[in-house]
Amino acid sequence: ETGVTQSPTHLIKTRGQQVTLRCSSQSGHNTVSWYQQALGQGPQFIFQYYREEENGRGNFPPRFSGLQFPNYSSELNVNALELDDSALYLCASSRPVRGNYGYTFGSGTRLTVV
Amino acid sequence: AQTVTQSQPEMSVQEAETVTLSCTYDTSESDYYLFWYKQPPSRQMILVIRQEAYKQQNATENRFSVNFQKAAKSFSLKISDSQLGDAAMYFCAYRSPLDTDKLIFGTGTRLQVFP
Repeated sequence: ETGVTQSPTHLIKTRGQQVTLRCSSQSGHNTVSWYQQALGQGPQFIFQYYREEENGRGNFPPRFSGLQFPNYSSELNVNALELDDSALYLCASSRPVRGNYGYTFGSGTRLTVV
Repeated sequence: AQTVTQSQPEMSVQEAETVTLSCTYDTSESDYYLFWYKQPPSRQMILVIRQEAYKQQNATENRFSVNFQKAAKSFSLKISDSQLGDAAMYFCAYRSPLDTDKLIFGTGTRLQVFP
């Protein structure tokens, strides 16, 4: 059973640029959630994708967008990068079955905006 | 909106000793789930233990156990026989069954384990 894989592991971007982060979900998981973890903070929910549709969103502006593909992998896109977007971005996959709490997290992408 | 509070930014414990990490939360829901996650330097969030709010019995997983006080909205984690490998950030998290699958995390507690 493969886990959640995120790429790249580290990334440096310039303010105003756009970035795409990628996530491969665990085998058998059809739901992907993205979290932003600023330094010294707990992860904050960005959004979730289920069956290729956005299925809930946290308090993040529209320049944070995503995609989910038929194989359940996912992308997080951030446009017009700001310095405050510097953070660890975590992807978690799961199966939305009641009573199933099987979130599997990836090791994240560390994004630095300069 | 639900909130999760971890009031201990850092804790330390001697190897083989016991340590308790605190977590409180605020919710108006009666049914929910609570979790403790461990985040080592590898950055991957690893599930330590989980508790369903409708269960009165405290969850245990080997050396890890919780003290779940629903009325007080408290969910502490006890680590017994601490090991060097337990050193990490620990996050308390809340999940509502009515909302999307999202987790609401606290700010974390850094646990140091000394030999």
